[in-house]
Amino acid sequence: KNQVEQSPQSLIILEGKNCTLQCNYTVSPFSNLRWYKQDTGRGPVSLTIMTFSENTKSNGRYTATLDADTKQSSLHITASQLSDSASYICVVTNMEYGNKLVFGAGTILRVKS
Amino acid sequence: NAGVTQTPKFQVLKTGQSMTLQCAQDMNHNSMYWYRQDPGMGLRLIYYSASEGTTDKGEVPNGYNVSRLNKREFSLRLESAAPSQTSVYFCASSEGGAGSYEQYFGPGTRLTVT
Repeated sequence: KNQVEQSPQSLIILEGKNCTLQCNYTVSPFSNLRWYKQDTGRGPVSLTIMTFSENTKSNGRYTATLDADTKQSSLHITASQLSDSASYICVVTNMEYGNKLVFGAGTILRVKS
Repeated sequence: NAGVTQTPKFQVLKTGQSMTLQCAQDMNHNSMYWYRQDPGMGLRLIYYSASEGTTDKGEVPNGYNVSRLNKREFSLRLESAAPSQTSVYFCASSEGGAGSYEQYFGPGTRLTVT
């Protein structure tokens, strides 16, 4: 079954600290993997998109990695800020079903001062 | 440049009532989508429109209808609302197919059916 599982479900860190969010997927074949940030009460906003041949992609303090062999991705946030408090969603594109997007449930991150 | 806009932001319906959620984009995108987001679950595709004049069912279309009014606007209609349709609804658009192009999301409509 094509699934995307994210861990942890939620996370609390202190401002200035780093953190890493995990995404494991069973979607196959896949064409790309995306990370979105969703602030409370808002729609998701794209952070990174990686094709199956890319290993890493950065967007400011956000760095996503992808291991297509083990079907794992991570999102690393450096020097966290209060504004990083949000839900982070991993999305995998399934090539088999007309490029259908399969969404993870998200990791809720709270950054405390 | 407003991006993707949705109306209303909040709505409360009684079981059996009908309503239409409106969505508009000003990015000249060809494709538009309706998703629902429920607690503890990933976004699920309800309907999509690959281009003006076409619509197709997504993963969870039962109880919904859509209209692609023109290139800018894509509406979602609940004919007879049920409590199971309590959710947050997001409209999105992309230049081409969502698998290959960036998707841009609206701010969402929070719907409660009592």
